[in-house]
Amino acid sequence: GQNIDQPTEMTATEGAIVQINCTYQTSGFNGLFWYQQHAGEAPTFLSYNVLDGLEEKGRFSSFLSRSKGYSYLLLKELQMKDSASYLCAVKDSNYQLIWGAGTKLIIKP
Amino acid sequence: ETGVTQTPRHLVMGMTNKKSLKCEQHLGHNAMYWYKQSAKKPLELMFVYSLEERVENNSVPSRFSPECPNSSHLFLHLHTLQPEDSALYLCASSQEEEGYNEQFFGPGTRLTVL
Repeated sequence: GQNIDQPTEMTATEGAIVQINCTYQTSGFNGLFWYQQHAGEAPTFLSYNVLDGLEEKGRFSSFLSRSKGYSYLLLKELQMKDSASYLCAVKDSNYQLIWGAGTKLIIKP
Repeated sequence: ETGVTQTPRHLVMGMTNKKSLKCEQHLGHNAMYWYKQSAKKPLELMFVYSLEERVENNSVPSRFSPECPNSSHLFLHLHTLQPEDSALYLCASSQEEEGYNEQFFGPGTRLTVL
């Protein structure tokens, strides 16, 4: 079967750095997405990786290793507004998105 | 209106009711999706319409019935639902093509079945 694993919940301090991991086992791979979802709101796109390596976008970076079936989302200079759920999703061989259950990130002052 | 809109935002219904959820996308995309989001579970893809043709999903109960009259509008018709169907129902759209196709989500309808 297809599976996306990510931690259920993480806690970090304002101003710090946090890394949210995602491991996947899917039938084929056509890219990995990270989305942010604030409570009661729609998921919004953060990043896309299809090749190995690091993609940087401001305070957020996303890394991919296809050989290891592994990705992480790195958030720097954490702000209170970064408190949200972070969803990892992989596009499989049929170009359908397979979603993880999300990681709830709690930022403390 | 911009992006993806959904109505209603909240819906409470009894098990014998019939209701419909509406989604509209203003992005010129050619694919639309219905997802179910339950607490602490992955997003569950229910239906996909690509170029206005439905991609079947045999795991969705027949009490959920989608309709896509054109590329901008998507409906989810609900009848004789069960309490376990209570969840957040999200609509999304994308420009269907191989490779990168970011999905844009609406705000969702919070459904409660009594």
